[in-house]
Amino acid sequence: AQSVAQPEDQVNVAEGNPLTVKCTYSVSGNPYLFWYVQYPNRGLQFLLKYITGDNLVKGSYGFEAEFNKSQTSFHLKKPSALVSDSALYFCAVRDTTRGGNKLTFGTGTQLKVEL
Amino acid sequence: SAVISQKPSRDICQRGTSLTIQCQVDSQVTMMFWYRQQPGQSLTLIATANQGSEATYESGFVIDKFPISRPNLTFSTLTVSNMSPEDSSIYLCSVEVWGDGPLETQYFGPGTRLLVL
Repeated sequence: AQSVAQPEDQVNVAEGNPLTVKCTYSVSGNPYLFWYVQYPNRGLQFLLKYITGDNLVKGSYGFEAEFNKSQTSFHLKKPSALVSDSALYFCAVRDTTRGGNKLTFGTGTQLKVEL
Repeated sequence: SAVISQKPSRDICQRGTSLTIQCQVDSQVTMMFWYRQQPGQSLTLIATANQGSEATYESGFVIDKFPISRPNLTFSTLTVSNMSPEDSSIYLCSVEVWGDGPLETQYFGPGTRLLVL
């Protein structure tokens, strides 16, 4: 069975500093990985995905994620955090076995960017 | 991407009643999904709804409790039946969209916030 772990419930960063939100995964086949963001009282917004190819994936709002197969990680990064980046971030993995398309989500990481 | 709307955006209901949540997409999509996000929790898939076929439910979710309709390629409903306070959650609709690359991406609606008293 596939799974995703987000080891940090909350990450605090000062505005202007780089941020990293961690995600590790476990899948039986090829990993298809996603990051979503949820702002207060809003639905989930798609940030980026990794399917194959370049290990560094660039997404919306200046975010990027680095796929590391040996460490089974897919950490979300941004070079310079903004206060407006404060939100709940979810990592997800897609089940592609038997042609499936189910997304399994991590528990989420609350990002707080302070002045 | 896709523009997804849900109705109602929030509701407060009495236990024992039922609520039907609507999901509308601005383009035709094959796959639609319903998720539940309990307070302070992650998202859990309830079921997958394809047009013209019965919904496929995940373990722990049954059709009697969460009946789903999918009458066409742009619309679906989820009913939460015989509600109890444990059903208080955010219910999210999502759709798969083909974009750049070989894999579809799921996009989510704004969610329906349900409180059961």
